[in-house]
Amino acid sequence: TQLLEQSPQFLSIQEGENLTVYCNSSSVFSSLQWYRQEPGEGPVLLVTVVTGGEVKKLKRLTFQFGDARKDSSLHITAAQTGDTGLYLCAGEVTGAGSYQLTFGKGTKLSVIP
Amino acid sequence: SQTIHQWPATLVQPVGSPLSLECTVEGTSNPNLYWYRQAAGRGLQLLFYSVGIGQISSEVPQNLSASRPQDRQFILSSKKLLLSDSGFYLCAWNNGANYGYTFGSGTRLTVV
Repeated sequence: TQLLEQSPQFLSIQEGENLTVYCNSSSVFSSLQWYRQEPGEGPVLLVTVVTGGEVKKLKRLTFQFGDARKDSSLHITAAQTGDTGLYLCAGEVTGAGSYQLTFGKGTKLSVIP
Repeated sequence: SQTIHQWPATLVQPVGSPLSLECTVEGTSNPNLYWYRQAAGRGLQLLFYSVGIGQISSEVPQNLSASRPQDRQFILSSKKLLLSDSGFYLCAWNNGANYGYTFGSGTRLTVV
């Protein structure tokens, strides 16, 4: 069973500050995905990283996949109140024609104005 | 464009009653379909997945079952609900590796 550990579990910061969320595992994944979820809604895909060492940027968000494809980080620069939400990382494994995701427990981010 | 519909949005059911949650996908064919359950604002637990009509795989032993009667329809059922079945149920689909999942808006089930 693949496990993904996310840290921190909760994060409360002031608007304009920077932050980093971590996602770690002892397992190797074919890809690592990051989702953002609002209360009462389904998660929305932010990014997929596939290659070890890969870095992707989405405006103020920077995602990195570890060289060994076991861990990932999400860095937000100059956080805004609109960044508030639950951030979930998910590792993908393939098998039997399906593409199953194992999710971390999430990081609940609150950005205070 | 592809869309996913999940209903109902909220449901309150008594213990011992049956359950049927429906999920349909539009704009794609032969999707992989998934049912997840999420504990109060936390990570998601995979319950069932399906790679084709009539093909269901279960990830955890439980009081629930799933069916896929049509290519783009996925149904989550129970004959008799337990209190522990309460939670936020999410349907999702994807069409290949590394493409990410598209989730429905979820069903909040409360068993009383």
